[in-house]
Amino acid sequence: GENVEQHPSTLSVQEGDSAVIKCTYSDSASNYFPWYKQELGKRPQLIIDIRSNVGEKKDQRIAVTLNKTAKHFSLHITETQPEDSAVYFCAAPLSGGYNKLIFGAGTRLAVHP
Amino acid sequence: GAVVSQHPSRVICKSGTSVKIECRSLDFQATTMFWYRQFPKQSLMLMATSNEGSKATYEQGVEKDKFLINHASLTLSTLTVTSAHPEDSSFYICLVPLEGNYGYTFGSGTRLTVV
Repeated sequence: GENVEQHPSTLSVQEGDSAVIKCTYSDSASNYFPWYKQELGKRPQLIIDIRSNVGEKKDQRIAVTLNKTAKHFSLHITETQPEDSAVYFCAAPLSGGYNKLIFGAGTRLAVHP
Repeated sequence: GAVVSQHPSRVICKSGTSVKIECRSLDFQATTMFWYRQFPKQSLMLMATSNEGSKATYEQGVEKDKFLINHASLTLSTLTVTSAHPEDSSFYICLVPLEGNYGYTFGSGTRLTVV
């Protein structure tokens, strides 16, 4: 069936380094790609999203790139800080019926001081 | 704008009882709402699509008679976990698509513990 694959499942970096998380999707009609950050015990928070008519979007230390041909998109976090430590989820909508969001398995990011 | 309220935030119930969770859009209308379940250290798994004015659509493997969904109005969807068992203990959260294809908004989530 349609799904979203996310890698890596865990990522450990030193403070100040960059972190990259990658996702692939299977529904070629998907046109919206959000990234969420979830801290322990809380709801996921949208940190950045991109639509299919652009290839890259940046918001301060966070950027997302999209390759529609290859059907993958990536989250880039530069100058990581300990408060970036959390679980990150990518998602993509299924085009058929209500555009329900399918989530990747998640990446647990640990930023060490 | 685009606020979604979900209640209760936490609930503990006895095995065999039922629990109702509400998801309400406060400042916009939502003909569709999605219900997800998240077990510890796992991803968000779609359970069902709640449709105002019609029956909910359930994902494969989700028991419709156990997880009752009612989309009573354009701003309210409820999920009732019937005859709850300890294995139903999880984080339940609604996700509401915004009008005009402007993305989605999560409810605050409900942590259900069945004892």
